[in-house]
Amino acid sequence: AQTVTQSQPEMSVQEAETVTLSCTYDTSENNYYLFWYKQPPSRQMILVIRQEAYKQQNATENRFSVNFQKAAKSFSLKISDSQLGDTAMYFCAFMKRYNDMRFGAGTRLTVKP
Amino acid sequence: DAGVIQSPRHEVTEMGQEVTLRCKPISGHNSLFWYRQTMMRGLELLIYFNNNVPIDDSGMPEDRFSAKMPNASFSTLKIQPSEPRDSAVYFCASSFYRGGTEAFFGQGTRLTVV
Repeated sequence: AQTVTQSQPEMSVQEAETVTLSCTYDTSENNYYLFWYKQPPSRQMILVIRQEAYKQQNATENRFSVNFQKAAKSFSLKISDSQLGDTAMYFCAFMKRYNDMRFGAGTRLTVKP
Repeated sequence: DAGVIQSPRHEVTEMGQEVTLRCKPISGHNSLFWYRQTMMRGLELLIYFNNNVPIDDSGMPEDRFSAKMPNASFSTLKIQPSEPRDSAVYFCASSFYRGGTEAFFGQGTRLTVV
């Protein structure tokens, strides 16, 4: 079975600074997809960014970017120019074929003014 | 589109009672997921369906839990009988059954079993 590990239960960052959230996963699959979701206090799950395993280029969405290291099975999220609205739980997710999607335990990020 | 719709948003029930959670996926989506979120265990995949067919229900914790998807626009998650340890937020999500597409989540149902 696939496992997703987020080793940082909590992190904090000063507004306008950069923070990196870590995620590792374990799989024997070669084709799969990786996601970062954000869950603010409203409880809504919001997609932040996605990465296809067959693409070597790291995905980027505005202030959010990933560092995808397939051999190391690592998928970290970098948030640049952190904003107060980035305060949330962040979940790393792994999806294999047939849409089987599993989540890590999450990292609680607090952006401080 | 209204997004994934779950009902009820909150449910408080007594131990031993039957609980039914409902989900309406986004129109056109053909994959549907049920997740349970707790502080201790995070987001657990309970079951997922592709084209209304259950693909993997290995995450369903016990026989007290059952899920159905009678058609493409409706799914239920039932707990019978409920226990206090079932208290959690239950999420439904849907996506296109085409590898790697984003899953859209409902607002979740907060279940409290007393």
